[in-house]
Amino acid sequence: NAGVMQNPRHLVRRRGQEARLRCSPMKGHSHVYWYRQLPEEGLKFMVYLQKENIIDESGMPKERFSAEFPKEGPSILRIQQVVRGDSAAYFCASSPPNVAGNTIYFGEGSWLTVV
Amino acid sequence: AQSVTQLDSQVPVFEEAPVELRCNYSSSVSVYLFWYVQYPNQGLQLLLKYLSGSTLVKGINGFEAEFNKSQTSFHLRKPSVHISDTAEYFCAVSDRGGYQKVTFGIGTKLQVIP
Repeated sequence: NAGVMQNPRHLVRRRGQEARLRCSPMKGHSHVYWYRQLPEEGLKFMVYLQKENIIDESGMPKERFSAEFPKEGPSILRIQQVVRGDSAAYFCASSPPNVAGNTIYFGEGSWLTVV
Repeated sequence: AQSVTQLDSQVPVFEEAPVELRCNYSSSVSVYLFWYVQYPNQGLQLLLKYLSGSTLVKGINGFEAEFNKSQTSFHLRKPSVHISDTAEYFCAVSDRGGYQKVTFGIGTKLQVIP
């Protein structure tokens, strides 16, 4: 049973370009979470999605960031017109259907570098 | 809303010595508590979690944590650390009543000195 798969692991973008980060949850998991880890800041919640639904996007920046989890295929975190401050590690996590207290399982992360 | 405070950003400790990583939380509702470990350039791995029952929770790699409701703490301990324990450790909390939105502390870097 494969774990949470994220790709690419490393991504370099120039300022103004778009970054797309993909996440395939564990088999049987229908809930996906995106977190951002900035140096010395720990992990910050960005968004929580179920298939075809955004449940909580309270941690998403208001502009340039979007996320989706389509009926088929991986979840996508999209960052438009990237800036240097977007450089960070982006972690995806997944969990089984909604039972509070369930462990959420993390992927290996996608490291975005904006040059 | 919840918050998590990890008081120590870095903890150096000699190999085979005991270690305690401190975690305090605040929440207006009952919570679940977690400790995760992150090795360099990797994702987070669950060490242990407290859901209910015994306040002393045992996890992987010889770690344990104790839930103290009155002090709103969930400190992580290991009686004898190994070089391979060098990593960053994150305390986390989620509401019992809500969905599984997990709030993380800022992390504590454990440096085991040979």
